[in-house]
Amino acid sequence: QSALTQPPSASGSPGQSVTISCTGTSSDIGAYNSVSWYQQHPDKAPKLMIFDVTKRPSGVPNRFSGSKSGNTASLTVSGLQAEDEADYYCCSYAGSNSFWVFGGGTKLTVL
Amino acid sequence: EVQLVESGGGLVQPGRSLRLSCTGSGFIFGDYAMSWVRQAPGKGLEWVAFIRRNAFGGTTEYAASVKGRFTISRDDYKGVAYMQMNSLTAEDTAVYFCTRVGDGYAIFLPDYWGQGTLVSVSS
Repeated sequence: QSALTQPPSASGSPGQSVTISCTGTSSDIGAYNSVSWYQQHPDKAPKLMIFDVTKRPSGVPNRFSGSKSGNTASLTVSGLQAEDEADYYCCSYAGSNSFWVFGGGTKLTVL
Repeated sequence: EVQLVESGGGLVQPGRSLRLSCTGSGFIFGDYAMSWVRQAPGKGLEWVAFIRRNAFGGTTEYAASVKGRFTISRDDYKGVAYMQMNSLTAEDTAVYFCTRVGDGYAIFLPDYWGQGTLVSVSS
């Protein structure tokens, strides 16, 4: 069982918006503004999409946005496109003993 | 372009050892901490090990599940990170990802990942 809880699946039609939640505890998501999200296509390396809860690395479309409230973080993908279909993993720093904890992943399907 | 390429995975019997390698390119290897993250079949990601850059002592950290059995190391001249895995069990079966750890963030995090190498522990 993963340290962070994500829904196993999410879906939306092209052009729609989808939000994926990620629930942790007061020791990880609730304690640090260090939530990141990774996109992974089949047999590809995970790619950093969001860091520091809300920030996007250079080159990541602004259709991807992140937020946090209490112990729950969220990733929103707006204007869904076919290439957004992938697995998404959340990650939070959890202190010097655990370093990083991850979610179990959410498979995003573009209908 | 930052690239990380893992190698060394394969099928190994319980109790045996395996050494994984991760070759980095497209960045100054010695300027970054490195880590390993694994993903068991059908499961989520799990952080495994971390090594600071030599400027910070090259010290290491491990997840409780592998502490005492796995050893992470680095060779900055070759641009390679290693993970020596001993006393392997079936629970270690996973795809092992090498990651670069960036520090230009609120807190350092894995910013670039390799494609992973599969380790299967079975008799």
